[in-house]
Amino acid sequence: DAGITQSPRHKVTETGTPVTLRCHQTENHRYMYWYRQDPGHGLRLIHYSYGVKDTDKGEVSDGYSVSRSKTEDFLLTLESATSSQTSVYFCAISLSGNEQFFGPGTRLTVL
Amino acid sequence: GESVGLHLPTLSVQEGDNSIINCAYSNSASDYFIWYKQESGKGPQFIIDIRSNMDKRQGQRVTVLLNKTVKHLSLQIAATQPGDSAVYFCAENGGQGGSARQLTFGSGTQLTVLP
Repeated sequence: DAGITQSPRHKVTETGTPVTLRCHQTENHRYMYWYRQDPGHGLRLIHYSYGVKDTDKGEVSDGYSVSRSKTEDFLLTLESATSSQTSVYFCAISLSGNEQFFGPGTRLTVL
Repeated sequence: GESVGLHLPTLSVQEGDNSIINCAYSNSASDYFIWYKQESGKGPQFIIDIRSNMDKRQGQRVTVLLNKTVKHLSLQIAATQPGDSAVYFCAENGGQGGSARQLTFGSGTQLTVLP
């Protein structure tokens, strides 16, 4: 987890509210990723970034948006949280786009 | 679609024995593979990786074997210790180029080390 922090680490929110998760890196890596992890599904890519202001959708992007205004920060926003978005969210970074290093995760519960 | 899968969802081994965790992949274009270890409540931790131009790579107590003929990947852990108990994931990159590389993850194998 060195060089990658996620905030908050735990959050409980209500259906319909917007939620923003933050990933911060100190490694100056080009690539950043947001995954969700659910039982039976493993890690699934939500969105990723290949540079400042350069982002693209992953496998499960519906209901999520991202922004990267500077190298070190990658924000994930749930525009209107739903119970199906209850999950553990992981941020990852990569220098080359291959080997990815993961943050400690954020556990999100949507009631 | 292409997928990465694991042969066994759980594996139990005696402390001190060697562990072998298997992974099958179906995308013949994949040129990079990686193994992660995830302990309860933590993020995945990089263990070892291998490129498709290699068939074996060794790390500290771990070896990854790649058999491209049958699209099979394995992780061998020597002298398994209690601290090795975790979920192990394999991932492959699908040979993707372009602006960003993405990894496709398997569902994981739970390794339990018995005393």
